[in-house]
Amino acid sequence: GQQVMQIPQYQHVQEGEDFTTYCNSSTTLSNIQWYKQRPGGHPVFLIQLVKSGEVKKQKRLTFQFGEAKKNSSLHITATQTTDVGTYFCAGQGGSEKLVFGKGTKLTVNP
Amino acid sequence: GAVVSQHPSWVICKSGTSVKIECRSLDFQATTMFWYRQFPKQSLMLMATSNEGSKATYEQGVEKDKFLINHASLTLSTLTVTSAHPEDSSFYICSARLGGGRNEQFFGPGTRLTVL
Repeated sequence: GQQVMQIPQYQHVQEGEDFTTYCNSSTTLSNIQWYKQRPGGHPVFLIQLVKSGEVKKQKRLTFQFGEAKKNSSLHITATQTTDVGTYFCAGQGGSEKLVFGKGTKLTVNP
Repeated sequence: GAVVSQHPSWVICKSGTSVKIECRSLDFQATTMFWYRQFPKQSLMLMATSNEGSKATYEQGVEKDKFLINHASLTLSTLTVTSAHPEDSSFYICSARLGGGRNEQFFGPGTRLTVL
């Protein structure tokens, strides 16, 4: 079945440093979504990428979808303490269900 | 908009009892809801897809007789953990999809189940 791999599992940065998490799917996706889960909270939808090679920005966050629609990345510029949490990518193939990556837990040292 | 609530937020029960968890879409109608299970520091594992008015579709390895799902209306889906055992202790999260061509899912706050 479809699998979504995400790396790294953990990332610790100093405030102000950049952060990137990568996602790879075993199959071609119709779309990929990114979610953020704060400690003790539930996943919150960030963005959806649909088109091959698509790049979207949300303030300091940049999301990319690969040309083959099998990989994606989330890059945060100049991290802040409010960025702390676990970032999940979730791929959608031919069905309505999402397959989540294992997530990247980001901690930021002030 | 697109708020999903879950009740209860936490529950502690004795082994062998059944627990019902409710998932409601508060400001939209959701023909499809999803139930996930999340172990500590791990990812979300899809348990089943709940469709209004029809039987749920369970993922491989999820016992349908143990995790009963009912989606009786466009705003409510319930998950009942029957004859709960300590290994069922987990964080259960539901989500709802807006539909109408939109794929993103909106998650409830989750239910922490502890089985003694």
